[in-house]
Amino acid sequence: ETGVTQSPTHLIKTRGQQVTLRCSSQSGHNTVSWYQQALGQGPQFIFQYYREEENGRGNFPPRFSGLQFPNYSSELNVNALELDDSALYLCASSLWTATKAFIYEQYFGPGTRLTVT
Amino acid sequence: ELKVEQNPLFLSMQEGKNYTIYCNYSTTSDRLYWYRQDPGKSLESLFVLLSNGAVKQEGRLMASLDTKARLSTLHITAAVHDLSATYFCAVDSVMNRDDKIIFGKGTRLHILP
Repeated sequence: ETGVTQSPTHLIKTRGQQVTLRCSSQSGHNTVSWYQQALGQGPQFIFQYYREEENGRGNFPPRFSGLQFPNYSSELNVNALELDDSALYLCASSLWTATKAFIYEQYFGPGTRLTVT
Repeated sequence: ELKVEQNPLFLSMQEGKNYTIYCNYSTTSDRLYWYRQDPGKSLESLFVLLSNGAVKQEGRLMASLDTKARLSTLHITAAVHDLSATYFCAVDSVMNRDDKIIFGKGTRLHILP
């Protein structure tokens, strides 16, 4: 069983650029959530994907967007980067069972450290 | 709106001492989590508490949950330097398919040797 993986580990971008972060979910999981953690803060929920559709969104502007692929991996895209987007981006995967209407515990990846200059 | 408050936000303590971190949350929740985070690292899951009165222990850490008071505690017994880290509590609700976890601001624990 493989855990949650993220790439790249670190990334430096310039203000105004666009960035794509990637996440591979844990084997057997079908749901991916993304979180932003600014320095010294707790993680904040960005959005969640289930069956390739957005399944809930936090208080983030539309320039934060995502995708989920048939293999349940996911991408987080951020357009028009701002300095305040500098943070650790965490993805977490979990299993949603529609029949039981229950989501099991989320497991977090190692994160991508994004620096915007 | 679900809110999570931790206190204290910073704690410096001597090795061998006991202390408790408190986590209050604002609305009914299905699960309460405690995570540990070392500087520059991801989140390490410590405990998942599901029901009122739940108590879990791992080594020198013990977590408990009182759903009626909407309060969880993380108790540290005879602290050692290796426990220095930031500890987050977090809650979620699986009433909806939108299973977002709401985190507290974290408690930065510094244990002096």
